[in-house]
Amino acid sequence: GEDVEQSLFLSVREGDSSVINCTYTDSSSTYLYWYKQEPGAGLQLLTYIFSNMDMKQDQRLTVLLNKKDKHLSLRIADTQTGDSAIYFCAESGGDYKLSFGAGTTVTVRA
Amino acid sequence: SQTIHQWPATLVQPVGSPLSLECTVEGTSNPNLYWYRQAAGRGLQLLFYSVGIGQISSEVPQNLSASRPQDRQFILSSKKLLLSDSGFYLCAWSVRQSGANVLTFGAGSRLTVL
Repeated sequence: GEDVEQSLFLSVREGDSSVINCTYTDSSSTYLYWYKQEPGAGLQLLTYIFSNMDMKQDQRLTVLLNKKDKHLSLRIADTQTGDSAIYFCAESGGDYKLSFGAGTTVTVRA
Repeated sequence: SQTIHQWPATLVQPVGSPLSLECTVEGTSNPNLYWYRQAAGRGLQLLFYSVGIGQISSEVPQNLSASRPQDRQFILSSKKLLLSDSGFYLCAWSVRQSGANVLTFGAGSRLTVL
């Protein structure tokens, strides 16, 4: 969506860290989400963060939020071939809708 | 546990033909329901969402429509398909928990209009 922007492609070597970046425009966003989509499948929630938090860590995943700059990132440590997918950033405010970015296609090379 | 089903998984239709995609949710009541479209090389576009039976909000004017005849059933329809309707259609549901609106997606329906 036009309110959420992501770079379209990321190539990373197996074992390295991946960092996927996202910017959003809605200052009233209260929650920000990361979803993963494997080929031909629906989206799976990876994690989400409340807007009053700066960081959230869940195993190999680290989410960083800079609310002032409206910048969100997802870091995947020790990237594996199974991490190859499209990653979507999304935001929600006080209503029922989620606005998604265009998705970042992550390719893990050996 | 909650599950979401979408069908058909794949559909090839001629231009001008009708469309009906169905989505059902099990294991929850009064969910919010959504239809998104993912066009090739593009992100997710919210088409419709519903917070209750008979309550449909349309996000993008187009030749598609949605209906919610039952609490856990959401249908996407068209009377006459256009080439531009081709894409990957995703149904999703949510129930607000602790403020976050976490969407759970179905496996998707791939529509090709020829």
